[in-house]
Order: sequence, then structure tokens, then C-alpha cells
Amino acid sequence: QKEVEQNSGPLSVPEGAIASLNCTYSDRVSQSFFWYRQYSGKSPELIMSIYSNGDKEDGRFTAQLNKASQYVSLLIRDSQPSDSATYLCAVSSLKTSYDKVIFGPGTSLSVIP
Amino acid sequence: KAGVTQTPRYLIKTRGQQVTLSCSPISGHRSVSWYQQTPGQGLQFLFEYFSETQRNKGNFPGRFSGRQFSNSRSEMNVSTLELGDSALYLCASSESRGRSYEQYFGPGTRLTVT
Repeated sequence: QKEVEQNSGPLSVPEGAIASLNCTYSDRVSQSFFWYRQYSGKSPELIMSIYSNGDKEDGRFTAQLNKASQYVSLLIRDSQPSDSATYLCAVSSLKTSYDKVIFGPGTSLSVIP
Repeated sequence: KAGVTQTPRYLIKTRGQQVTLSCSPISGHRSVSWYQQTPGQGLQFLFEYFSETQRNKGNFPGRFSGRQFSNSRSEMNVSTLELGDSALYLCASSESRGRSYEQYFGPGTRLTVT
């Protein structure tokens, strides 16, 4: 089992719809969870971080965390063509004495005008 | 604040050569991590430096090494380059404080080995 898994893409949604991106992780002691957006040919950009169970909203983005189910998701409301990118889930797990960040393989999102 | 900077942005090297990449973190960030990104393997962790000490290391051969200077700037070196080392090398900096491990990436160095 991989440490961080994401739903395989590509994911296509029409403009204006809600895009739902999912991520599961294997380490129960994971503490911090991040979503990064990466446009083709560019570096990853941090868009959301979440540390506690529940929802966290930032504009059109909502991150949802369920530690009991070891599941974190990202919802993008009113999806725009500019949201078309690869979304990377990252999980910070305590390894030895320091946090270690593990990235998932990413989900490619395409928003169709 | 200025973002993370990496130099050079593009590099073409020949198999067997060695290369040094540089990263300047966001001011005040003491943690610098290096990643290799390829289409087939995704984002793979190389190593992390904090206060001039390597505190985490990924599963890469000893040809990959790094260091961090007292001003938090970091370099990574790859010796005896192989064709498979062609990749985007990303540097990320973090305050590394408390539970938060928010990382901010530089633009990357695109390395091509011929």
C-alpha cells in the first residue's frame, strides 16, 4: 500500500461544476495535510493546508479532513478553466524525530468550458 | 517577501558529468527540501536540510548529495550523471515550526542528461 494515494485521473468537469479530489493516507499519526496545484511546466503551489478534522474553506476551495477514515479531500466550487492543473495531496507524518512530507501521485483536473 | 529562487533554470549535461544546483529559500525559512520530479515517478523526496544539517533523506543513491550554508541557501550535487537523472529538480523551503510543514516551491531546475 502506498503511503499517499489519490484518485486516478484525469478528472474532467464542466465549467461551473464542483470538482472533487480525493486522497487517502496510510500513516495514522499523520498530523498535517496539504493540497498543491501544479500547472503544466510549473512548480507546485500551496493552495490549502488543514490540520484538524472537518472542513476548511478558502474562497472556492474547501478541504475536508477525516482522520478516522484517513481521508482528505479538496472540493473546488464553480470550477473554472484556469483550475485545470494537477493537484497534489501531501501528508506530513512524524518519522523519527522530524516531520516527513509525503506527496501523492497527483490527480489531473481538466475543466471543460 | 521574495519567493524561493533556483539557479540555473535549465541545464544540459552529458552522461558522466557532475552538476550543482542552487536554491535560495524564502527569507526566515530554515528548512530546505529537494525533490526530483519525473513524469513516471512523480515527486520524489531527495533530502532535507535544517540549520545546515541533513535531517531527512530519501531513497536515492550516494551520487546525490547536498549541503546547506549558514544563510540557509542550499546546493545539491549529482555526480556521474546518468540518462535517468533527467528531471525537474525542485527546491522547497519551510519555516518548519510546530505542526505546520507548509512548503513553498521554487521554479525548479530542468536538467537534461544526454
